[in-house]
Amino acid sequence: GNSVTQMEGPVTLSEEAFLTINCTYTATGYPSLFWYVQYPGEGLQLLLKATKADDKGSNKGFEATYRKETTSFHLEKGSVQVSDSAVYFCALSDLSGGSNYKLTFGKGTLLTVNP
Amino acid sequence: KAGVTQTPRYLIKTRGQQVTLSCSPISGHRSVSWYQQTPGQGLQFLFEYFSETQRNKGNFPGRFSGRQFSNSRSEMNVSTLELGDSALYLCASSSGQLTSGVYEQYFGPGTRLTVT
Repeated sequence: GNSVTQMEGPVTLSEEAFLTINCTYTATGYPSLFWYVQYPGEGLQLLLKATKADDKGSNKGFEATYRKETTSFHLEKGSVQVSDSAVYFCALSDLSGGSNYKLTFGKGTLLTVNP
Repeated sequence: KAGVTQTPRYLIKTRGQQVTLSCSPISGHRSVSWYQQTPGQGLQFLFEYFSETQRNKGNFPGRFSGRQFSNSRSEMNVSTLELGDSALYLCASSSGQLTSGVYEQYFGPGTRLTVT
């Protein structure tokens, strides 16, 4: 079956530090990959996505590249802000598996950015 | 456009009771999915409805059920509540059509269910 593994948190950084959150996946087909962000007390917001190998998703200074050879989709940001403090989820959907409406999520990584 | 709305936002129930949660998708969206979020298991897919039909179901016991109405609003029901059902229940709305090769899903704020 499909699965997503992302680095355990929590991650604590100072403002303007570089962020990497690792994410690897296992899929039976050719998945689409996503990063979602959840701010305290809120639902999930789509941060970025990629649908094929070597695609780079980007939004709000965050980037992630779909690496088929390493089955990875690591999230990066060059300079984090206090407002980036949230929980980040890596996820996949697999169009070929008959369950293409279903998102499979990693466990989430709590990021705290200190001023 | 208004976003996905879920009611109620918070709920406290007793073991053995049943509960019904409601989700109103984004206007024009015909697909609604439900997820359970717990600290231990993370986010797990419950089921997905499209045009009043359940298209996909996760690995949850039969106590968890859902339905979708003709206006695309969806409800999920949990019967005979257990302590382990305490969770944040998230609803996600989608047009049901591929957009740039994916089914983009938009999440509501969730219903926090506490079972005592």
